[in-house]
Order: sequence, then C-alpha cells, then structure tokens
Amino acid sequence: ETGVTQSPTHLIKTRGQQVTLRCSSQSGHNTVSWYQQALGQGPQFIFQYYREEENGRGNFPPRFSGLQFPNYSSELNVNALELDDSALYLCASSFGGTGSGEQFFGPGTRLTVL
Amino acid sequence: GENVEQHPSTLSVQEGDSAVIKCTYSDSASNYFPWYKQELGKRPQLIIDIRSNVGEKKDQRIAVTLNKTAKHFSLHITETQPEDSAVYFCAASIRSGGYQKVTFGTGTKLQVIP
Repeated sequence: ETGVTQSPTHLIKTRGQQVTLRCSSQSGHNTVSWYQQALGQGPQFIFQYYREEENGRGNFPPRFSGLQFPNYSSELNVNALELDDSALYLCASSFGGTGSGEQFFGPGTRLTVL
Repeated sequence: GENVEQHPSTLSVQEGDSAVIKCTYSDSASNYFPWYKQELGKRPQLIIDIRSNVGEKKDQRIAVTLNKTAKHFSLHITETQPEDSAVYFCAASIRSGGYQKVTFGTGTKLQVIP
C-alpha cells in the first residue's frame, strides 16, 4: 500500500501567475480533498473530487479549480495568484461514496507568492 | 455551515501529566470527529477518531470523548511525553450532498516540558 504523495514540495510564484499542484491518492482510495493551510491555522477545505467529478466545495473563488484523473490522482490549479494564496496546500485521500470518511494527508506543497 | 472552535490555543504540561483539548461544533448533523497531530513542517497525521454513535474511544494513552447533546468533543492524552509536542487539530465531518466535508478547528500547540 502506498501513501499520499504531492508535488512539488515547494513552489515560488509571482502575483498574477498560475500554478498547478499534484496529488497521488493512497492505493484503494477514490476521493481526493484539497485544503489550504495558512501559517498557524487549521486546514481550510477547498474542494473534493470523487470519481473524477467535483462533489463539494468550500468558500474559495472560481480561480481555484481542479481535476481528478481515472487513476484517482488529482490536480489543483490556481489562476491569477494573489499574495494571500501563500500557504501550505494539502491533499487528503479517502474512500468516498459510503466510505468512513477517514482521510490521509499528503506532505503538502508550500506555495509562496511574491 | 459547520463551525468548529478549539481550546486552548496553546498548552504546556510537564512530562507525565495529562493534557486535555476541547472542541465544540455547531452542526448537529456532523457524524465523524477525527483528531490530527501535526509536527512542524509535516503533514497532519490522524491519531484517533470517533463517530457520532459512540461516546468514548481509547487507544493506549489517547482517548476521545463526545457529547452530542452539548456538541462537545475532547482529546485526552495521559502520561504525556516530549514526543507528544505538536499542534493538534480537531475536526468535525458531515455528509453533505453526497460528500464528506471536514471542518477543522484552529489548532492547539501542545508543549510537553521534560
């Protein structure tokens, strides 16, 4: 069984640019959730993908978008980056549908927007 | 939406003493309550969880209690050790529109003093 992985580990962008972050879910999991964790804060839910479709979204603007692929890996795309987008971006995989909801997190991508 | 409050924000205990972290939630439909431990620069790790049909759960030195009526849940760590030092997050999870949405508390920084 393989754990949740994310890439890249760190990323530096400038305001207005676009970024794509990647997540590979744990073996056997079909659901990926993305979170933004600002320094000193708890993770904030961005959205969730289940069977390649977005099936839940938090209070984030449309410039945050995502994809899930047939192998259940996922991407988070952020357009028109703002300084406040600087944060640790975490993905978490779980077995969705009627699953338990137990989530396992990846190591995160640290995004810095200058 | 769901709101999770967590207290205290920081907690210092002597090694061997007990630590208690308390959380409240707002949505009575929440049915799953995980606790995560996050060490500096690392991913959140699930340490224990409890479902709404259970009042208490214990795993070695860690226990969680849930009071559905009062919408309170707590993490208890006994015989604390220096390696317990970390930030702890509570969370409340609700199934909404076909997905499990997880709302995190703001975290408690636990320091165990040797």
